[in-house]
Amino acid sequence: AQTVTQSQPEMSVQEAETVTLSCTYDTSESNYYLFWYKQPPSRQMILVIRQEAYKQQNATENRFSVNFQKAAKSFSLKISDSQLGDTAMYFCAFMKLGAGSYQLTFGKGTKLSVIP
Amino acid sequence: KAGVTQTPRYLIKTRGQQVTLSCSPISGHRSVSWYQQTPGQGLQFLFEYFSETQRNKGNFPGRFSGRQFSNSRSEMNVSTLELGDSALYLCASSSQPKDTGELFFGEGSRLTVL
Repeated sequence: AQTVTQSQPEMSVQEAETVTLSCTYDTSESNYYLFWYKQPPSRQMILVIRQEAYKQQNATENRFSVNFQKAAKSFSLKISDSQLGDTAMYFCAFMKLGAGSYQLTFGKGTKLSVIP
Repeated sequence: KAGVTQTPRYLIKTRGQQVTLSCSPISGHRSVSWYQQTPGQGLQFLFEYFSETQRNKGNFPGRFSGRQFSNSRSEMNVSTLELGDSALYLCASSSQPKDTGELFFGEGSRLTVL
């Protein structure tokens, strides 16, 4: 079974600053996806960024980037130039590849507040 | 393209009753999965359906069940409701065979059990 741990229940950042959210995971699988999902106060969860475990290059999506350390089983999210709209719960999630089923294992989440 | 639609958005039930929640996936998506979100337990996987077949089930009692119809719409049912079933129930859909792993979530159904 996989576990995902987010050690920061809450964080805050000043607008335009950079913040890093931490995530560690435990698995015996070698092929998997890692995700960061964002859940704003309106509750609809949306994908922020995705990383395939077989890719060494860290994924980036505009202001969002990850630091993927496979050996250390670490997957942190960096948000640059933070905006008020980034205020949300952020969930780190794991999905086993090739299992024939799309099941996400989530961390407990980090509540991020962007302060004007 | 319409997103994932869940109904009802809010509902209140009493202990012992049963409830049915509905989910319409994004057009063309054949995989539908359900998650329970609570403050204490976080997000937990309930089950996943593909082409009307349950492919995977989480660690929930048999009171939680689901099904998928030929048009990929899905329903989940909780019988003999308990106070601890109060939660936000999220539905997510995914496309196949485009295997990006990305799930698209609905806004959820907020169930309160009194």
